[in-house]
Amino acid sequence: AQKITQTQPGMFVQEKEAVTLDCTYDTSDPSYGLFWYKQPSSGEMIFLIYQGSYDQQNATEGRYSLNFQKARKSANLVISASQLGDSAMYFCAMREGRGNFNKFYFGSGTKLNVKP
Amino acid sequence: GAVVSQHPSWVICKSGTSVKIECRSLDFQATTMFWYRQFPKQSLMLMATSNEGSKATYEQGVEKDKFLINHASLTLSTLTVTSAHPEDSSFYICSARSGQVLGNQPQHFGDGTRLSIL
Repeated sequence: AQKITQTQPGMFVQEKEAVTLDCTYDTSDPSYGLFWYKQPSSGEMIFLIYQGSYDQQNATEGRYSLNFQKARKSANLVISASQLGDSAMYFCAMREGRGNFNKFYFGSGTKLNVKP
Repeated sequence: GAVVSQHPSWVICKSGTSVKIECRSLDFQATTMFWYRQFPKQSLMLMATSNEGSKATYEQGVEKDKFLINHASLTLSTLTVTSAHPEDSSFYICSARSGQVLGNQPQHFGDGTRLSIL
């Protein structure tokens, strides 16, 4: 089974509107972390936001917030007030395991296009 | 914040040559480094995990003799694509993590290397 599933290969959003990028995950490890990364066309990976499996509140970082629904195993990224510079690939990732043996798993990504 | 430098950013070479890609952690000690490969419009695929001073752990399906990984110091890991062929053309990206793994530590990524084999 896939560890991370992103079901939206592409999304369009109007500038200044909010958009939700979906992510579901699969793990039996009670301790895990969920991450979102942005990858512009230039290729570099930019860390956006983190949610720990034991965190009670949803993570927020500026215009980014993570809608964490543990029972549903979903960790959707919400971008508020979209900007043209938000156009990029977005990857959801999960860290499971402990110590030096933990691994990151990436979803297939969602291509976000922000329209002016 | 933590910085990972990857070099070169772009390389074009002839089939049959070997290509070395460097990944350096500039302001922290990276006890673990990861090497990923990304095909166009696809996700990152983990190739191998390297811990400083020990042999790399390769993911299933990744040829150890083809992709040589050396993690000789706490700030440097190298990936050598040996006898590269056109099918090895891809985007390679490294990431690094410091020793004590806290829950909210993201991996820090290099900017990637675009490898084109003619």
